[in-house]
Amino acid sequence: EAQVTQNPRYLITVTGKKLTVTCSQNMNHEYMSWYRQDPGLGLRQIYYSMNVEVTDKGDVPEGYKVSRKEKRNFPLILESPSPNQTSLYFCASSTRRSNQPQHFGDGTRLSIL
Amino acid sequence: ELKVEQNPLFLSMQEGKNYTIYCNYSTTSDRLYWYRQDPGKSLESLFVLLSNGAVKQEGRLMASLDTKARLSTLHITAAVHDLSATYFCAVDIGDSGYALNFGKGTSLLVTP
Repeated sequence: EAQVTQNPRYLITVTGKKLTVTCSQNMNHEYMSWYRQDPGLGLRQIYYSMNVEVTDKGDVPEGYKVSRKEKRNFPLILESPSPNQTSLYFCASSTRRSNQPQHFGDGTRLSIL
Repeated sequence: ELKVEQNPLFLSMQEGKNYTIYCNYSTTSDRLYWYRQDPGKSLESLFVLLSNGAVKQEGRLMASLDTKARLSTLHITAAVHDLSATYFCAVDIGDSGYALNFGKGTSLLVTP
């Protein structure tokens, strides 16, 4: 089954404790992206990757890091999380062809105390 | 800076009625996507609109794109409760569908 898998689905942690949210896709997609969703703000892009070893900032990259060492994986790293990073995070992937939509993971709800 | 505005942000409508959700955007683009999100769930792709005048229909939903007016519409025909969800439009300002800018979403509630 074609899917984008995020882990963990839920996480409560404390300020300053490094965390990683993993994202993996099994569709051999070139493009992967991370979004955060906050009430009243819609989805905002954090980082995206057009292919292995190619990453770029989205609209709200501050406080986040990413890496793309393998085509299928695109982890999101919060090295020193802060409460303003409490949010619902989505990973998405797609092919290069714009006639195909992005496929979204099930989301990761992070609470940073 | 690209702005994507959806109207309305909240919509309560009766079953059987028709309504239109509007998505305006501020810069040139001929690629627009509509997604649906159920509470606590992920985003599901509804439509991909890739050219001026594009029209796509699926069941009670029909989406269109007017790139000259920078406007997309999502029309709901004879609404049913199962259509209750949040609907997002997203505009692509890149060239491959990766640089998506989302609207804030329209929360739709269909009541008996």
